[in-house]
Amino acid sequence: DTAVSQTPKYLVTQMGNDKSIKCEQNLGHDTMYWYKQDSKKFLKIMFSYNNKELIINETVPNRFSPKSPDKAHLNLHINSLELGDSAVYFCASSNPGEQYFGPGTRLTVT
Amino acid sequence: EDQVTQSPEALRLQEGESSSLNCSYTVSGLRGLFWYRQDPGKGPEFLFTLYSAGEEKEKERLKATLTKKESFLHITAPKPEDSATYLCAVRRTDNYGQNFVFGPGTRLSVLP
Repeated sequence: DTAVSQTPKYLVTQMGNDKSIKCEQNLGHDTMYWYKQDSKKFLKIMFSYNNKELIINETVPNRFSPKSPDKAHLNLHINSLELGDSAVYFCASSNPGEQYFGPGTRLTVT
Repeated sequence: EDQVTQSPEALRLQEGESSSLNCSYTVSGLRGLFWYRQDPGKGPEFLFTLYSAGEEKEKERLKATLTKKESFLHITAPKPEDSATYLCAVRRTDNYGQNFVFGPGTRLSVLP
């Protein structure tokens, strides 16, 4: 069984579009996260959710909005996509302590 | 400002040639230091957690150690399958709850 899964794995879209990335974890963890890994491979936290409440929101544009329908899911919605949004986005979960990451979603904005 | 740096940026070893990777950190309210391995096209995979200076953890050919300012990942007699990017991260607790800061990683290549 996959512990943390994300869909889609690849996403190619045009500037100005709105897109979503889905994440699910079956580990029973209380906290989920979204990370962005840029072309230089730097992994930077975007959001974390604990029991469906946003507890961290780094300096991320408000075009990005996390939504958690339940403890096992944390989706990422992105409005008005820009070229600079191209990156790999990772979902992760923890309880607390070490994090378990999903396989990543490679977003390409053209 | 909280910061995590890693050195070297890249490391090429011959199979069996032992070496160490460094992770230096400056962070307030440290709540753990984590090592991950990341293979190309995949998400980071958890390796170790260290909580206090002097602590050591081992797994196969890897051994992680922690001081008050840095951590080392020692690789003994590496094999080509150890080739990956090794990431270090610190967890801090601030007004917003737990938060993680990752270093830029060390790309390790082990040649047969």
